Amino acid sequence: NAGVTQTPKFQVLKTGQSMTLQCAQDMNHEYMSWYRQDPGMGLRLIHYSVGAGITDQGEVPNGYNVSRSTTEDFPLRLLSAAPSQTSVYFCASRSPGGETQYFGPGTRLLVL
Amino acid sequence: GENVEQHPSTLSVQEGDSAVIKCTYSDSASNYFPWYKQELGKRPQLIIDIRSNVGEKKDQRIAVTLNKTAKHFSLHITETQPEDSAVYFCAAVTGGGNKLTFGTGTQLKVEL
Repeated sequence: NAGVTQTPKFQVLKTGQSMTLQCAQDMNHEYMSWYRQDPGMGLRLIHYSVGAGITDQGEVPNGYNVSRSTTEDFPLRLLSAAPSQTSVYFCASRSPGGETQYFGPGTRLLVL
Repeated sequence: GENVEQHPSTLSVQEGDSAVIKCTYSDSASNYFPWYKQELGKRPQLIIDIRSNVGEKKDQRIAVTLNKTAKHFSLHITETQPEDSAVYFCAAVTGGGNKLTFGTGTQLKVEL
C-alpha cells in the first residue's frame, strides 16, 4: 500500500490563480480530511469527508472547496488563491471505526 | 468548538533527562487524545494516544496521562535521546471522531 499520497509537493501561485491539490489513499478509508499548517498555529481542519458524496466544513473552510466522488480521492480546490493561503497542506485518512488519522507527505503552497 | 492549549512552546533538555508537555482542552465531549511527532519537513506521525476512559498509557519511554475532570493531558518522555528532537503536537477528537483539533506544538530539543 502506498498509504496517503499528495501531489504536488510544492507549488507557487500568483494571487487570483486557481489550483487543485490532490490527495489519494489506497487503504479503503472512508474518512478523509484536509489540514493546513502555519507556523505557531499547529494544524487546522479545513474540510473533511466521511464517505463518497459527503463533505463537511472544518475550522477554516473559507476559500477552499472539496468534493468526494470516490472513496480513494479527496481533492482540495483553491478557486482564487490569496497570499493568506500560503501554507503547508496535509491530507489525512482514517479507517472505518478507527480513530488514528494517517497523514500524507504534505504540499507546500506559496501564493505571491 | 474545541480549543486545545499546549505548553511549553519550546523545551530544551539534556540527553537522558525527562521531558513533559502539557495540554488542556475545552470540550468535555472530547473522547480521544492522540499525540503526534513531526520532524522538520515531514508529516505528523502518531506516537501514542489515549481514550477518555483511560487515565494513563505507556509505550516504552513514552507515556500519556489524562485527567478528565481537569481536562488536562500530558506527554512524558523519559531517558530522552537526540532523535527525540522534533515538534510534538497534542490533539483532541470531537464530532463523533470527525474533528481533530490540534495544539500549537512544542519544539523539543535534546542536547548532548
